[in-house]
Amino acid sequence: DGGITQSPKYLFRKEGQNVTLSCEQNLNHDAMYWYRQDPGQGLRLIYYSQIVNDFQKGDIAEGYSVSREKKESFPLTVTSAQKNPTAFYLCASSPGTSSGNTIYFGEGSWLTVV
Amino acid sequence: SQQGEEDPQALSIQEGENATMNCSYKTSINNLQWYRQNSGRGLVHLILIRSNEREKHSGRLRVTLDTSKKSSSLLITASRAADTASYFCATEPYNTNAGKSTFGDGTTLTVKP
Repeated sequence: DGGITQSPKYLFRKEGQNVTLSCEQNLNHDAMYWYRQDPGQGLRLIYYSQIVNDFQKGDIAEGYSVSREKKESFPLTVTSAQKNPTAFYLCASSPGTSSGNTIYFGEGSWLTVV
Repeated sequence: SQQGEEDPQALSIQEGENATMNCSYKTSINNLQWYRQNSGRGLVHLILIRSNEREKHSGRLRVTLDTSKKSSSLLITASRAADTASYFCATEPYNTNAGKSTFGDGTTLTVKP
């Protein structure tokens, strides 16, 4: 089946640890995105990538890092510098970033700091 | 920076009734898209309306866009319990691209059987 796979679904992080959320897509999309969603709120863009080996900061990039070594993969690392990382993280992709492209979402990953 | 704001924040109706939710935005846009999110899941795209369009239909969904008022509405007719979800608008600012789209905080719709 074509789609976006995020793993793990639930992740617990101890304070001071870095954790990495995986995102893989088999839609052959050029663009990929990471969003953060806090309870009862909308989505905020962390990073996006228009093409392999390129990525750009979104509105809340501090404390996060990404890589885009392969077209299919866009992992997100939540570093210890992110002071309030507990949230729902959504990975997404689109065919490109030109105007009107629909953004397709994965099922999300819950990250909790313990 | 978020641009779209949905209204109301929460809406509760009986099955069979129509549900209307609104989205207002501040600056000119290329297009506006509506998405649906079931609790704890990813978002699913519903419909896109471009800035030169005024109304679009898809099944039981009707979307309108008033660029002079910088607002859009999503109407779900003959609602079903399965329509229970949060609904978000995403606005693509004028002269930018899909990567610059911003999402509102959503309207949570509850349809009672």
